[in-house]
Amino acid sequence: AQTVTQSQPEMSVQEAETVTLSCTYDTSESDYYLFWYKQPPSRQMILVIRQEAYKQQNATENRFSVNFQKAAKSFSLKISDSQLGDAAMYFCAYRILGGGGADGLTFGKGTHLIIQP
Amino acid sequence: GAGVSQSPRYKVAKRGQDVALRCDPISGHVSLFWYQQALGQGPEFLTYFQNEAQLDKSGLPSDRFFAERPEGSVSTLKIQRTQQEDSAVYLCASRGTGHTGELFFGEGSRLTVL
Repeated sequence: AQTVTQSQPEMSVQEAETVTLSCTYDTSESDYYLFWYKQPPSRQMILVIRQEAYKQQNATENRFSVNFQKAAKSFSLKISDSQLGDAAMYFCAYRILGGGGADGLTFGKGTHLIIQP
Repeated sequence: GAGVSQSPRYKVAKRGQDVALRCDPISGHVSLFWYQQALGQGPEFLTYFQNEAQLDKSGLPSDRFFAERPEGSVSTLKIQRTQQEDSAVYLCASRGTGHTGELFFGEGSRLTVL
């Protein structure tokens, strides 16, 4: 079975500091996408950043960047200059391409990020 | 619409009652997914539609769960004879035809079974 593991149930960071959320996954596929989603208390999941497995360059979106290590099956999220609005649950997820079936996302259990003012 | 819309946002049911949860996806989105999210957990896949065809229902936990999308747009998730373990947030997501696979989520329906 394919799985996504987020080993940090909760992380806390001072406002304006940098924090890294870890994610590892297990798949035998070679072609897939990886995602980080943010879920604030309003519950709506919002895409933070995506990474195509065939790309070696790490994705970056403003203050958010990833460290994608394909051989290690690791996909960590770095948030720079943390802001109070970053406080939320963060979920790592992946999608296998050409897998048929559900063709949806498999999620980890999430990391609760706390921003301290 | 501009985003994925779900209703009701909150539903309290007595054990044994039937409930129906509605999802209105982004206009034109072919793929529609239902997920179940227990408290403190990540979303778990329930079922998937491509247009009106239900291509995968392997995640439905029992035959009390039923989903439909008769015209390929709005979808309804029905839970018959609700049990306490059905209490969760039910998330609906849709996806367009882009290759990246990003899902667009609604705000979810929180079901509490007493």
